[in-house]
Amino acid sequence: DAGVTQSPTHLIKTRGQQVTLRCSPKSGHDTVSWYQQALGQGPQFIFQYYEEEERQRGNFPDRFSGHQFPNYSSELNVNALLLGDSALYLCASSPVNRGDTEAFFGQGTRLTVV
Amino acid sequence: AQSVTQLGSHVSVSEGALVLLRCNYSSSVPPYLFWYVQYPNQGLQLLLKYTSAATLVKGINGFEAEFKKSETSFHLTKPSAHMSDAAEYFCAVSDRASGTYKYIFGTGTRLKVLA
Repeated sequence: DAGVTQSPTHLIKTRGQQVTLRCSPKSGHDTVSWYQQALGQGPQFIFQYYEEEERQRGNFPDRFSGHQFPNYSSELNVNALLLGDSALYLCASSPVNRGDTEAFFGQGTRLTVV
Repeated sequence: AQSVTQLGSHVSVSEGALVLLRCNYSSSVPPYLFWYVQYPNQGLQLLLKYTSAATLVKGINGFEAEFKKSETSFHLTKPSAHMSDAAEYFCAVSDRASGTYKYIFGTGTRLKVLA
């Protein structure tokens, strides 16, 4: 089992550009959550996807959007990039409605906005 | 609303000494609690979890944590630190109230192990 895989691992973008990050969940997991981890901070919840729908959203602007595909993989899109969007973006997968089962995290995508 | 507080953003211990990383939670429902470890430039790896079974939870790499409802705490311990334990540690509570079980993380504790 490959676990949760994210691509790319590193990315450098210019302010104002758009970026797409990708995530493949662990086999058997149908729920994908995205987190933003700024330097020196704990991860912050962006949103969660299940059955190709956004189930819940954290305190992030509409510039952050996502998508889930029928095979449960997911994308995170960020438009009009700001310097403050520089962070490690983590994808986590879990089985739906199983809070007693831990989420599995990918290695993250390090986004640098210049 | 649920929350987690980790006391001490940096902790230093000598190799072979006791490791104690503190986590206090706030939750309106019985919590699910987790400790994750993050090595440099990597994602999060689960150390252990509490999901309302035994209050003393054993995890990987010799770590354990005790759930104390009266103190709203879930501190992480390891009897003898090893150099390889140097990393950042995050305590998290699962948001059961929302139904999504998203994680609410603490700000993390960076553990340094001195030779």
